[in-house]
Amino acid sequence: AQSVTQPDIHITVSEGASLELRCNYSYGATPYLFWYVQSPGQGLQLLLKYFSGDTLVQGIKGFEAEFKRSQSSFNLRKPSVHWSDAAEYFCAVAGTNAGKSTFGDGTTLTVKP
Amino acid sequence: EAGVVQSPRYKIIEKKQPVAFWCNPISGHNTLYWYRQNLGQGPELLIRYENEEAVDDSQLPKDRFSAERLKGVDSTLKIQPAELGDSAVYLCASSLVGMNTGELFFGEGSRLTVL
Repeated sequence: AQSVTQPDIHITVSEGASLELRCNYSYGATPYLFWYVQSPGQGLQLLLKYFSGDTLVQGIKGFEAEFKRSQSSFNLRKPSVHWSDAAEYFCAVAGTNAGKSTFGDGTTLTVKP
Repeated sequence: EAGVVQSPRYKIIEKKQPVAFWCNPISGHNTLYWYRQNLGQGPELLIRYENEEAVDDSQLPKDRFSAERLKGVDSTLKIQPAELGDSAVYLCASSLVGMNTGELFFGEGSRLTVL
C-alpha cells in the first residue's frame, strides 16, 4: 500500500528565509509525486509534480522539489519565503496510471514578518 | 475554464439527518474523486469514478454513505443518517487519468458540521 509521511506538523519561518518541507513516501515502484497547497477555506492547488526524468522539478510560485529514490523522499523547497506562502502543504503519492493519490497529513507553514 | 464546482459550501445538520453534496467536475475530465478531510489531516479517498463506473470505493462507509455519477459528469455524495464523526470537509476533485497527468483539480469543498 502507498503512504506518505510529513514529519513536520507545523513550521515557522521568517519572511525572506529559505524553506524546506519534508516528505517521505512508501510505494513499491516508481511513484508519481505531488505537492499541493491549501489556503484557509480553499481547495488544494497543485504546486508541482514528478513523474520521471529530472529529479529536480520546478513548480509555481517559486517552489521546487527534489526526488531522492534512495531516501524515498520528495522535499519541497523555496529559497525565499513570502508572507503569502503561509498555508498548509500536502505531499501526495500515486502509482500506476496515477489514478489514486494518497496524501500526507500536511505541514502548516507560518511566516513571521 | 470553470473549475470544479461544489455545493453547498457549508452545511450544519443534526445527527441522524441526511445530507447530500453535489460536484460538477471540469469539463472533459473523465475521473472524479470524493475525498474527506478531517481537521488537521490530509484528504482521504472515499470513492473514485472513471466515467460512470466506481472503480475504487473501498474506503466508502457503505452502511451510511452512497454516491452516484450519472452520465459520467456531475456527482452526488449522500450521507444518511449522519453521525457526529462525519463532521469534515468533503472535497471533490477531477482529473484526466490515462493521460499521464495525475494532477487533481479540487473544488473548494463542502464543510459539514453535525451537531
